[in-house]
Amino acid sequence: DAGVIQSPRHEVTEMGQEVTLRCKPISGHNSLFWYRQTMMRGLELLIYFNNNVPIDDSGMPEDRFSAKMPNASFSTLKIQPSEPRDSAVYFCASSPGGGGSNQPQHFGDGTRLSIL
Amino acid sequence: SQQGEEDPQALSIQEGENATMNCSYKTSINNLQWYRQNSGRGLVHLILIRSNEREKHSGRLRVTLDTSKKSSSLLITASRAADTASYFCAPPASGGYNKLIFGAGTRLAVHP
Repeated sequence: DAGVIQSPRHEVTEMGQEVTLRCKPISGHNSLFWYRQTMMRGLELLIYFNNNVPIDDSGMPEDRFSAKMPNASFSTLKIQPSEPRDSAVYFCASSPGGGGSNQPQHFGDGTRLSIL
Repeated sequence: SQQGEEDPQALSIQEGENATMNCSYKTSINNLQWYRQNSGRGLVHLILIRSNEREKHSGRLRVTLDTSKKSSSLLITASRAADTASYFCAPPASGGYNKLIFGAGTRLAVHP
């Protein structure tokens, strides 16, 4: 069974550049989450999609961040322009079911992003 | 916020010993999840306990839930070096969907 697949695993770029992170959720899962993890702030939920529709984007830090889910098998998180403070590990997770809090979330191995 | 708060922040034990991690949360919940994160990897779901369950077992893991005290504990028995990881409890946030609020976690080190 393929798990959640994220790409790239590592990204190093200079500030001001556009960064695109990609996620393929587990087939059949209709909930998708993007998280950011840093030492200072821990694991923060950025945005949640259900059936490809953004439901809660209250965690998106600012307008430089955008996320899309054009179909059930693909999502992107874009940062434009990137800044050094965006350096973090970004995780994508998916879960079955569209509501309720009784479903385990399945995480990818993350993208380690470094903005110089 | 509904963030789970784990205690202790760090725990260091020898192989074969038991490890107990605690979690406190703030508002009423109908279930609570525990996750593990190995270094450089994503989180892995360990166990979900519902509010009508006081205890749940999975292999060497035992989770308890005390809704009156708004607390949960994760016990790992007969620990192994491979159990070295960070452990997070995740109570659900209000909002009616699968939104989990992760705390800072407990960093467990199991020494051979």
